[in-house]
Amino acid sequence: GENVEQHPSTLSVQEGDSAVIKCTYSDSASNYFPWYKQELGKGPQLIIDIRSNVGEKKDQRIAVTLNKTAKHFSLHITETQPEDSAVYFCAAPRANQAGTALIFGKGTTLSVSS
Amino acid sequence: DAGITQSPRYKITETGRQVTLMCHQTWSHSYMFWYRQDLGHGLRLIYYSAAADITDKGEVPDGYVVSRSKTENFPLTLESATRSQTSVYFCASSPGLNEQYFGPGTRLTVT
Repeated sequence: GENVEQHPSTLSVQEGDSAVIKCTYSDSASNYFPWYKQELGKGPQLIIDIRSNVGEKKDQRIAVTLNKTAKHFSLHITETQPEDSAVYFCAAPRANQAGTALIFGKGTTLSVSS
Repeated sequence: DAGITQSPRYKITETGRQVTLMCHQTWSHSYMFWYRQDLGHGLRLIYYSAAADITDKGEVPDGYVVSRSKTENFPLTLESATRSQTSVYFCASSPGLNEQYFGPGTRLTVT
C-alpha cells in the first residue's frame, strides 16, 4: 500500500523567511496530494492541494510542487508570519481503497519567531 | 450552523467501559472517516464509510465499532475501552474527489 514520509519533523524560521516541507510517497498511481494545517486544539484544515496533472499550484504565500518522477511533493511558505506556526501534514490517497481515504505523513511542527 | 461537529469534546472514562463518540455533518457528504491522533504517529485511519450502511476498516480498527444509518451521522464506539485508546479522535467528511474536512476533535482519556 501507499507510504508517506514527511520531513523535517520540526522547523524553526524567523518571520519573513521561507519554509519548505517535503513529502515522499511510494505508490506511483497516486494522483492527489493535499496539505493540511493544524493549529493547537483544532482539527486539521485543508490549505492547498495538487493533482498529478500539474507540477505546481500557488495560493498567495503558499505553494505546492509535485515531482512525479521522484515521487515527492513539497509545501512552500514564503514571507512567513507568526500565525503560520502550526503542525502541517501532507497526505496521499490510500492505495487499493475505494473512495477518498488518505494516508497522512507524521507532521511537521513549524515555529515562526518574530 | 453548517459544518462538521463532534461530541463530546472531552471525555474521561474507565477501562472496560463502553463509550461512543459522535460525529455530525451538515454538508450531505457521502464519505465520512474516523482518525486517531497520537504523538509520533500522526493521523491514523480507524474506519471510513462511503455512504449510509457502507463501512470499511482502516489502518487501526481493532477495538472500535462504527455504524452509519444516516448520511449525516457517523458514531464511533469503543466497546470496552483500554488505556491504549487514550487519544484525540477526529472525524472527517468528504464529498468525493479526495478533499476531506475535519471536525474539532474529541480528546478521550481512558483511566
